[in-house]
Amino acid sequence: GENVEQHPSTLSVQEGDSAVIKCTYSDSASNYFPWYKQELGKRPQLIIDIRSNVGEKKDQRIAVTLNKTAKHFSLHITETQPEDSAVYFCAASRGAGGFKTIFGAGTRLFVKA
Amino acid sequence: SAVISQKPSRDICQRGTSLTIQCQVDSQVTMMFWYRQQPGQSLTLIATANQGSEATYESGFVIDKFPISRPNLTFSTLTVSNMSPEDSSIYLCSVGGLAGIIDEQFFGPGTRLTVL
Repeated sequence: GENVEQHPSTLSVQEGDSAVIKCTYSDSASNYFPWYKQELGKRPQLIIDIRSNVGEKKDQRIAVTLNKTAKHFSLHITETQPEDSAVYFCAASRGAGGFKTIFGAGTRLFVKA
Repeated sequence: SAVISQKPSRDICQRGTSLTIQCQVDSQVTMMFWYRQQPGQSLTLIATANQGSEATYESGFVIDKFPISRPNLTFSTLTVSNMSPEDSSIYLCSVGGLAGIIDEQFFGPGTRLTVL
């Protein structure tokens, strides 16, 4: 069945450094790739997404890249801050072409002050 | 984005009983979903709530255990039936199709269920 693998499971960085989280997906029909941030005890929040017709998207300190050929997509956070500490989930779906979202296992990011 | 609310926010229930969780959105949405999230784990889709028809369940989830209703485009319920301690989890509703953007999905605050 469809699968999304996410690495690393835990990531610890120093404040101000960059953090990179990588995901791979198996369903070649996937065309929508959202990223969620979940703080402890809170709901997952959609922070950025990318669609298959785009290779890169940036929003302030957050950027996502997509390589459809390799079925890879990544989240890049620059100038990390302690408030970036959370669990991040990548996901893949077919969007309107058969909507079902498959989530990665999550990455727990620690930003040390 | 829409305001998504869930009731109750948490509950402690006895084994063998049932609990119904409500999800309310302040605007009409095309899609509504129910997820389960075990502590420290990812999100697992239970089912897609279909308006006016039976929900579509994922592998490993059945209607007798998790009956779902969706009477209109803003409201859905999930019932966890005949509960056991293994059902202790966070249950989240999510919605898609806000403002015509079919693939963006937003989550409710979740219901933390503990079964004794």
